Amino acid sequence: AQSVTQLGSHVSVSEGALVLLRCNYSSSVPPYLFWYVQYPNQGLQLLLKYTSAATLVKGINGFEAEFKKSETSFHLTKPSAHMSDAAEYFCAVSEDQGAQKLVFGQGTRLTINP
Amino acid sequence: DAGITQSPRHKVTETGTPVTLRCHQTENHRYMYWYRQDPGHGLRLIHYSYGVKDTDKGEVSDGYSVSRSKTEDFLLTLESATSSQTSVYFCAVRGGYNEQFFGPGTRLTVL
Repeated sequence: AQSVTQLGSHVSVSEGALVLLRCNYSSSVPPYLFWYVQYPNQGLQLLLKYTSAATLVKGINGFEAEFKKSETSFHLTKPSAHMSDAAEYFCAVSEDQGAQKLVFGQGTRLTINP
Repeated sequence: DAGITQSPRHKVTETGTPVTLRCHQTENHRYMYWYRQDPGHGLRLIHYSYGVKDTDKGEVSDGYSVSRSKTEDFLLTLESATSSQTSVYFCAVRGGYNEQFFGPGTRLTVL
């Protein structure tokens, strides 16, 4: 069975500082991995996805993530935080077979301090 | 936004009443999904559909049923709502690279 663990339910950084949100996954087959962002009272927006084409994936809004198979990780980073990055972030995994159901982590709330 | 709308956007109901939530998409996606979002749990899959009249259960399907009589509509029904079903419900469709695109959500409160 697949699972996702996001380390830290809340992360706080200063504006201009590095953002690092951690995600570890478990999957018995090669996974597809995703990061979504959710702004208050909105649905989820896809930030980026890993589908085995390249281990370093670039997404929208300056975010990127690196797939590390040996560490079963897919951490999300952004070099310089902006106030508009304050939101909740979800990591998700699916298998490349069948219905490709998504399994989500618990989410990490990112706060940006001025 | 992948052309997904959900209705109603907010609903307050009483324990024991039936409730139906609607998801409508305009881009002819084959796969559609219903999730619920609760604090500390992320999103959990309730049911999904892989075509008209083809549906299957997800992780938290107890107390819920679904129907899909047309490609564009996927209905989620709570036959007899309970307070534990108070949640935010999201519909999603699957895109070309297995990513999913989400609707705006329905906030349901069961009193």
